[in-house]
Amino acid sequence: DSGVTQTPKHLITATGQRVTLRCSPRSGDLSVYWYQQSLDQGLQFLIQYYNGEERAKGNILERFSAQQFPDLHSELNLSSLELGDSALYFCASSRNSNNDGGEKLFFGSGTQLSVL
Amino acid sequence: AQRVTQPEKLLSVFKGAPVELKCNYSYSGSPELFWYVQYSRQRLQLLLRHISRESIKGFTADLNKGETSFHLKKPFAQEEDSAMYYCALGGSSNTGKLIFGQGTTLQVKP
Repeated sequence: DSGVTQTPKHLITATGQRVTLRCSPRSGDLSVYWYQQSLDQGLQFLIQYYNGEERAKGNILERFSAQQFPDLHSELNLSSLELGDSALYFCASSRNSNNDGGEKLFFGSGTQLSVL
Repeated sequence: AQRVTQPEKLLSVFKGAPVELKCNYSYSGSPELFWYVQYSRQRLQLLLRHISRESIKGFTADLNKGETSFHLKKPFAQEEDSAMYYCALGGSSNTGKLIFGQGTTLQVKP
């Protein structure tokens, strides 16, 4: 158990809908990262938050947004869902904001999103 | 731009055979390299990182800056090594994000 908690584990919804994925980082970790894993794209970095502030942005669509709350949990909001958004969404956390010293990421077990 | 290339999507070997999973990276700064493993669509787990120069479950990886490579090796593969392996690149002082390669599925046959 990495200590990173993601809910829900599975989500089935229809095209055009909006969903919210939730992530609680490990105790003491200030950074939260969101990744999308799909068969054709592999593991894609979406966005990082550090202590409530956006720190880095990757290949995140405009229909997607995220935030980190004062208690450090994070939510990823996906709207106007399309079939192609079906994927496994991982959250990860780390203590600091950067990789200095080889700081590693701890991953949650993911949310499997199916858009029908 | 940061980029990680894992040229093999699938590597299939017999139990007891040596294994080498290739990873090449592109990065203008000072890289931090990692190998993560994912068993049967479970969460990703850190296998090893170059800065620790460690050997985990018999796996080792050496950072070769001249060849910009961080290949993962194990002298004798075991069936329980079957999994998806991701090479990942970090190194920016501004962000802790890791850029992952496409992953290599290692299949160890009995």
